[in-house]
Amino acid sequence: DVKVTQSSRYLVKRTGEKVFLECVQDMDHENMFWYRQDPGLGLRLIYFSYDVKMKEKGDIPEGYSVSREKKERFSLILESASTNQTSMYLCASRLGDRLNTEAFFGQGTRLTVV
Amino acid sequence: AQSVTQPDIHITVSEGASLELRCNYSYGATPYLFWYVQSPGQGLQLLLKYFSGDTLVQGIKGFEAEFKRSQSSFNLRKPSVHWSDAAEYFCAVGAPTSGTYKYIFGTGTRLKVLA
Repeated sequence: DVKVTQSSRYLVKRTGEKVFLECVQDMDHENMFWYRQDPGLGLRLIYFSYDVKMKEKGDIPEGYSVSREKKERFSLILESASTNQTSMYLCASRLGDRLNTEAFFGQGTRLTVV
Repeated sequence: AQSVTQPDIHITVSEGASLELRCNYSYGATPYLFWYVQSPGQGLQLLLKYFSGDTLVQGIKGFEAEFKRSQSSFNLRKPSVHWSDAAEYFCAVGAPTSGTYKYIFGTGTRLKVLA
């Protein structure tokens, strides 16, 4: 069974902290994505990666960075957490660059910045 | 610019009743369209997808969707709703981007099912 695992379901961090959200997939997928989900706004793309060490900005990259040193792992980094980054974060992976392959999502990390 | 609109934020139906969730998209070329479902506390699961061919698409859990190019719509339907269908539903369009394709999601429709 395919699996995308996010390291934490819930996180509480303080303003100004550096925060790491980890995502691991076991399907040898090339593409990985980070979204944030907010009520009334749906899912918005933060960053994505289509290969190891490759990263591209999505629609809302400000305040975030990413790292993909290995194919199976895609990390989202909040350089200096702020309260407006309180949100649900979802990681996804997909095989290749074709849309007719399904994207698989992790269960999400609910981050609260206080 | 590509976009997806889900005009209904909340929908409430009785168990056994039929369901239709609306989705309108804006996209210049032939769209790649998806419906995902998110159960409480879970990630997203793909219900169905449309790329080409037959405009009526069958998915999992008894759902279907119809692509209507003239109306720029991709509405999700189910003839008889079960209590377990209570969830949030997202429509998405696929769009080319640097090196791959990304999904543009609508804002979601939260479905409540009355017993």
